[in-house]
Amino acid sequence: GENVEQHPSTLSVQEGDSAVIKCTYSDSASNYFPWYKQELGKGPQLIIDIRSNVGEKKDQRIAVTLNKTAKHFSLHITETQPEDSAVYFCAASKENTGFQKLVFGTGTRLLVSP
Amino acid sequence: EPEVTQTPSHQVTQMGQEVILRCVPISNHLYFYWYRQILGQKVEFLVSFYNNEISEKSEIFDDQFSVERPDGSNFTLKIRSTKLEDSAMYFCASSEEKNGDEQYFGPGTRLTVT
Repeated sequence: GENVEQHPSTLSVQEGDSAVIKCTYSDSASNYFPWYKQELGKGPQLIIDIRSNVGEKKDQRIAVTLNKTAKHFSLHITETQPEDSAVYFCAASKENTGFQKLVFGTGTRLLVSP
Repeated sequence: EPEVTQTPSHQVTQMGQEVILRCVPISNHLYFYWYRQILGQKVEFLVSFYNNEISEKSEIFDDQFSVERPDGSNFTLKIRSTKLEDSAMYFCASSEEKNGDEQYFGPGTRLTVT
């Protein structure tokens, strides 16, 4: 089955710096890669996603890149702010049929210091 | 903005007891999921549900677990005889038919088995 690896496990940056979180996946059939932000005591919140037919997607300060050949994808946050501090999870799934399970990475705890 | 809701937020139960965790998915969504997250670990898929039947389940989802959509709004997870290792955060998620991959998570129920 699919296995998703994520690193780093923790990341500390200064406000205004950029943060990059990387994930690799094992199943070449995976074609949907969402990123979730989880704040303390809350459920994962979908922040951005990418499908395998594109290599990059951007939404304001966040962007995701996908390298299908290498089977890795990354989350980029620019101009980080203290409210970006949270645990970020990458995930992968196959097909686009609606009821495919998400396989999550182990999470990255991002701390943005003022 | 519509959101997934879950009750209770925290459930404490004794080993061997039955628990029912409740979820109200987003109203126009047709796919429903349960995930769990043991403290400090990754989010793990338990089961997906569509058209009143289970579409996929993980090895974690054994005979002690069951899901039900008892009416048009609720989606429940029942654990028949809880074990200590069932202690975790349980997240409900839902997705719509058109963009079924985009799963939206509830805030979770923290289950503590003593």
